[in-house]
Amino acid sequence: DTGVSQDPRHKITKRGQNVTFRCDPISEHNRLYWYRQTLGQGPEFLTYFQNEAQLEKSRLLSDRFSAERPKGSFSTLEIQRTEQGDSAMYLCASSPGQANTGELFFGEGSRLTVL
Amino acid sequence: GENVEQHPSTLSVQEGDSAVIKCTYSDSASNYFPWYKQELGKGPQLIIDIRSNVGEKKDQRIAVTLNKTAKHFSLHITETQPEDSAVYFCAAGANTGGFKTIFGAGTRLFVKA
Repeated sequence: DTGVSQDPRHKITKRGQNVTFRCDPISEHNRLYWYRQTLGQGPEFLTYFQNEAQLEKSRLLSDRFSAERPKGSFSTLEIQRTEQGDSAMYLCASSPGQANTGELFFGEGSRLTVL
Repeated sequence: GENVEQHPSTLSVQEGDSAVIKCTYSDSASNYFPWYKQELGKGPQLIIDIRSNVGEKKDQRIAVTLNKTAKHFSLHITETQPEDSAVYFCAAGANTGGFKTIFGAGTRLFVKA
């Protein structure tokens, strides 16, 4: 399977705990994006990477959120001290930057439930 | 900031009828307008896109139109089939380095057999 993969698919945690999500993009894609999607809403942009460089972060991304892409391949999104409002689907997408087509290839998401 | 409005939020049609979803955007710099389809439990998948130098694009039963002056764009699905039932998102992006894409809130389409 050469699509975008995300792990874990589901995470249930208690308020105050830290969680980390992993995204493996399509191998030749150098752009990687994180989006958050809540029920009945469209994906909201959080941040994106060009190779290992984090080039833009949304105002939605509070200090409790941090994303990394250390070697320009997989990425992690960590949420510290989770709150109930963090419950959402976290979507990762990649795109072939050089081709600059704009198309995003999404993974199936990591669903977070904060109790 | 950038904003994409999408209407209607829910649309129910009879199989074989047409479905139209409309969107407006706020950022004049936007030059790329994709449409994504999301099925239950899956990530969104691109179904068609249009760029600002084109007014209309068609791919089999799907067509998109763009009015840059009015900042409107629309998705038209003809001869709808039950498998078209899903959530559809319009989006707007600008080629300013990373093609940051802003999504509408989505339209849940039901096609009744």
